[in-house]
Amino acid sequence: AQTVTQSQPEMSVQEAETVTLSCTYDTSENNYYLFWYKQPPSRQMILVIRQEAYKQQNATENRFSVNFQKAAKSFSLKISDSQLGDTAMYFCAFPSSGGSQGNLIFGKGTKLSVKP
Amino acid sequence: ETGVTQTPRHLVMGMTNKKSLKCEQHLGHNAMYWYKQSAKKPLELMFVYSLEERVENNSVPSRFSPECPNSSHLFLHLHTLQPEDSALYLCASSQDRQGAAYGYTFGSGTRLTVV
Repeated sequence: AQTVTQSQPEMSVQEAETVTLSCTYDTSENNYYLFWYKQPPSRQMILVIRQEAYKQQNATENRFSVNFQKAAKSFSLKISDSQLGDTAMYFCAFPSSGGSQGNLIFGKGTKLSVKP
Repeated sequence: ETGVTQTPRHLVMGMTNKKSLKCEQHLGHNAMYWYKQSAKKPLELMFVYSLEERVENNSVPSRFSPECPNSSHLFLHLHTLQPEDSALYLCASSQDRQGAAYGYTFGSGTRLTVV
């Protein structure tokens, strides 16, 4: 069965600094997609970044980037120049059946607090 | 209006009440989902609809009854709930059942409290 593990229930970072959130997963598929979602206090899950497993290049979206290590099945999220608005729950997710099939399954989340 | 809209935002109901949660998407998506989010637990997938047909029901108790009258609307009818059903209920949509390649679009959820 596919699983997603986020080992850091809570983290904090000073404003303007860099923080890395970890995620590991288990799959027997070769091609699949990985996602990081952000859930601020407004509760809406917002897609932060998406990685295609067959691409070796790590995805980047402005201050957000990933460190994707396929062999290690690791998919960490790096937030640079942290801002107060980055305070939120962050969830790692990927398809339950691998590839583009199946439903998204999520980790338990990491609560990130950005301190002024 | 764009995106995924959920109403009501908050709901308090007694165990003998009947209520419904509503989800509406204006994205032209063909697949819609109900997730349950409880504290310190991963999101739990409850139901999946594709082209208005229920394609998955993940062992959800019958006191939860989904309805998808068209591809833009999804309901979750609630009756005889238990206090452990208190949670945030999230609706999501994707272009189709291949949407796991592109991620889902979520609403802001309904915070349900059963008293």
